[in-house]
Amino acid sequence: AQKVTQAQTEISVVEKEDVTLDCVYETRDTTYYLFWYKQPPSGELVFLIRRNSFDEQNEISGRYSWNFQKSTSSFNFTITASQVVDSAVYFCAFSLETDKLIFGTGTRLQVFP
Amino acid sequence: GAVVSQHPSRVICKSGTSVKIECRSLDFQATTMFWYRQFPKQSLMLMATSNEGSKATYEQGVEKDKFLINHASLTLSTLTVTSAHPEDSSFYICSVVDIGLSYEQYFGPGTRLTVT
Repeated sequence: AQKVTQAQTEISVVEKEDVTLDCVYETRDTTYYLFWYKQPPSGELVFLIRRNSFDEQNEISGRYSWNFQKSTSSFNFTITASQVVDSAVYFCAFSLETDKLIFGTGTRLQVFP
Repeated sequence: GAVVSQHPSRVICKSGTSVKIECRSLDFQATTMFWYRQFPKQSLMLMATSNEGSKATYEQGVEKDKFLINHASLTLSTLTVTSAHPEDSSFYICSVVDIGLSYEQYFGPGTRLTVT
């Protein structure tokens, strides 16, 4: 069975600090997808990224970057120069193509001014 | 714009009553929709897979007679919480998969149910 682990329950940083959110997954499948979602206090899930298992290239989007390493089954998310608006719960998730998403337990990020 | 809508966004009901939550796919036809539940400060857990024209597939531990799912059209799935109890108070989120183009999974804005 597949599993997603986000060991960091809560992280607090001061604005402008860089922060990395860890995600480790378990699967025996060779084709799968990994996701990151942001959930602000409003509750709505905001899609951040989807990565398939065959694409290990790191990705950068503005202040966000993702490091996918199959060797360690990790898909970590880094926010550079954090801002107060980044405060939210971040979920890492796993799926098999069009299948359901399996979510990690989430990491609550608090960015203080 | 929004790809998935949910109605209502927030509902308060009395214990013992039933509540219907609608999930609509706005941009494409969805043969499959998923229903998730999120208790306060917890992760999202899949409740069931809603299949258009057939019975829903429920996850282990989810009572199918309590959480009725109807996927009557390619753009609408409904979740009815029957005989609601305070422990059913939760955030219910649906998602749809765009299998026709991108295989992206889009989430609705969620429905916050409070049972008093």
